[in-house]
Amino acid sequence: EAGVVQSPRYKIIEKKQPVAFWCNPISGHNTLYWYRQNLGQGPELLIRYENEEAVDDSQLPKDRFSAERLKGVDSTLKIQPAELGDSAVYLCASSLRTDRPFYEQYFGPGTRLTVT
Amino acid sequence: AQKITQTQPGMFVQEKEAVTLDCTYDTSDPSYGLFWYKQPSSGEMIFLIYQGSYDQQNATEGRYSLNFQKARKSANLVISASQLGDSAMYFCAMREDNYGQNFVFGPGTRLSVLP
Repeated sequence: EAGVVQSPRYKIIEKKQPVAFWCNPISGHNTLYWYRQNLGQGPELLIRYENEEAVDDSQLPKDRFSAERLKGVDSTLKIQPAELGDSAVYLCASSLRTDRPFYEQYFGPGTRLTVT
Repeated sequence: AQKITQTQPGMFVQEKEAVTLDCTYDTSDPSYGLFWYKQPSSGEMIFLIYQGSYDQQNATEGRYSLNFQKARKSANLVISASQLGDSAMYFCAMREDNYGQNFVFGPGTRLSVLP
């Protein structure tokens, strides 16, 4: 079974440029998460999707960040325009939402963004 | 207020020894789950172990065990017989089942296993 796929793995851009990250979750996983991980810190949730619906985007800086999950499968996270402080690793994760209390998140390899 | 606290920024352990990584959490939700993830230098987050708030016994997965003390709100990870490949960042995370169901991660502990 293929894991969570993310691309690109690395991206270097100049500030004020746009950038987009793509994530393909594990097949059949209803829930998709985007996290930002700053150097030396734990991941912080940006947005969570249940199927195609964004059920929690309270931590997404909406002035410059946008996300979509068309058809409830793969997802794109966009930053426009990028700022120096956006340099981080952007992690995508997915889980199979069930009624059981335990559902594990599976993470992709992440996209390391450097804004110069 | 921090929901997940990991007070050890870095830890050293001798190969083949056991090590405990501390995690305390804060929640008023009676139903929650606690997770430990490992992040090697390659960057990928690897799930290690899970403990549910209603679980009566401490979770174990191979060399990993979780010392769950509910009254103290602590969920420490114990790694037995450390191996060089255990050197990595370790993150404690919590999911509150009634308060949004999002995962909240702690700041992490960097474990270095010495030969």
